[in-house]
Amino acid sequence: QSALTQPPSASGSPGQSVTISCTGSSSDIGGYDHVSWYQQHPGKAPKLMIYEVTKRPSGVPDRFSGSKSGNTASLTVSGLQAEDEADYYCSSYAGSNTWVFGGGTKLTVL
Amino acid sequence: EVQLVESGGGLVQREGSLRLSCAVSGFTFSSYWMTWVRQAPGKGLEWVAAIKADGSEKYYVDSVKGRFTISRDNAKNSLYLQMNSLRDEDTAVYYCARLSYWANDNWGQGTLVTVSS
Repeated sequence: QSALTQPPSASGSPGQSVTISCTGSSSDIGGYDHVSWYQQHPGKAPKLMIYEVTKRPSGVPDRFSGSKSGNTASLTVSGLQAEDEADYYCSSYAGSNTWVFGGGTKLTVL
Repeated sequence: EVQLVESGGGLVQREGSLRLSCAVSGFTFSSYWMTWVRQAPGKGLEWVAAIKADGSEKYYVDSVKGRFTISRDNAKNSLYLQMNSLRDEDTAVYYCARLSYWANDNWGQGTLVTVSS
């Protein structure tokens, strides 16, 4: 049950694209296509942005996309907007009905 | 509209106990797995526990095994987290969340638990 590894920070200018990585192991990210991503604004509850690696819930802009290669998952935010500034967390199913989160990445829109 | 509302948080002494509740509405509660996720002040998210839709299976992060118990009452559309032998490191905002396609697709607003000596 070790936490997934995310960079502490990321940044980009409005209109640009930014990619946030999330590294785990063969016991979590590499073993299952059950990676999800959450956006959290200060003082608010997390919001699901991506599930099952690449799928977007209804209402999430298509500027948000997910991918996975081996033990690393990625979230890409295209066409950055001011309201995208938030903390982002990855999560993966880790087998035996347990889950693990990443440490979080603070995204700054310059 | 899906709604999850946590309650029961507060200040508790080290080694004390607290029971959190999560009242849900807007969906068929008895059809979904549910989870508790916590966030220590200024820190990241940590998965705490999960419970099967019918309550027959329960799973925990290692750090709370033997101290926390997740339960549910499908007749009351409610989820619970009984927390015993509380430690300083249990201080956090506790969120209840619905599990769908192995992801937490709806979250409550959270309830703050502060463990103090």
